[in-house]
Amino acid sequence: EDKVVQSPLSLVVHEGDTVTLNCSYEVTNFRSLLWYKQEKKAPTFLFMLTSSGIEKKSGRLSSILDKKELSSILNITATQTGDSAIYLCALPGGGSNYKLTFGKGTLLTVNP
Amino acid sequence: NAGVTQTPKFQVLKTGQSMTLQCAQDMNHEYMSWYRQDPGMGLRLIHYSVGAGITDQGEVPNGYNVSRSTTEDFPLRLLSAAPSQTSVYFCASSYSPGRGNTIYFGEGSWLTVV
Repeated sequence: EDKVVQSPLSLVVHEGDTVTLNCSYEVTNFRSLLWYKQEKKAPTFLFMLTSSGIEKKSGRLSSILDKKELSSILNITATQTGDSAIYLCALPGGGSNYKLTFGKGTLLTVNP
Repeated sequence: NAGVTQTPKFQVLKTGQSMTLQCAQDMNHEYMSWYRQDPGMGLRLIHYSVGAGITDQGEVPNGYNVSRSTTEDFPLRLLSAAPSQTSVYFCASSYSPGRGNTIYFGEGSWLTVV
């Protein structure tokens, strides 16, 4: 059974702080790892990682995959109140490439 | 450019009632799926379809039925609603879910069973 574990489950920081969110996984036939941001409605895509050690960046957000450690981190620097959201990690798995297994998410709250 | 359209957005049901959540996409995607999201649980796959006429179970299929008679539509039926089915439901579609940036989610359907 595929597993995706995110930590921490919740995090409260002040504006300007840097945060690191973690995602560890156990899946058959690893293909990719996906990060989403969810703000009270549908998840929106952030990154897809397929190769180990390659960093994906978008503004203040970045993510790295470590296939040896079966994990990924999502970094957010200089956090803003608009970064408050649930961050979800997901992997296609189940041997079919058609099932996304999500972690429980990390609830990030950024206070002014 | 509608994308993925879910209806209704909000619904209150009584225990034992049945209903159908509608999902339609206009992008000619082969893959469609239904997820439910409960507090602190992330998204859990209910059913999915890899094309018209083909459906399969996900992680939490009990109490739900699906069918895929056309490429565009993928309705989710609650056969006899239970309070445990109170949740937020998301429909998603894509060419291939392995390509994360092409997974499109509907806006969600908030369902309360009393």
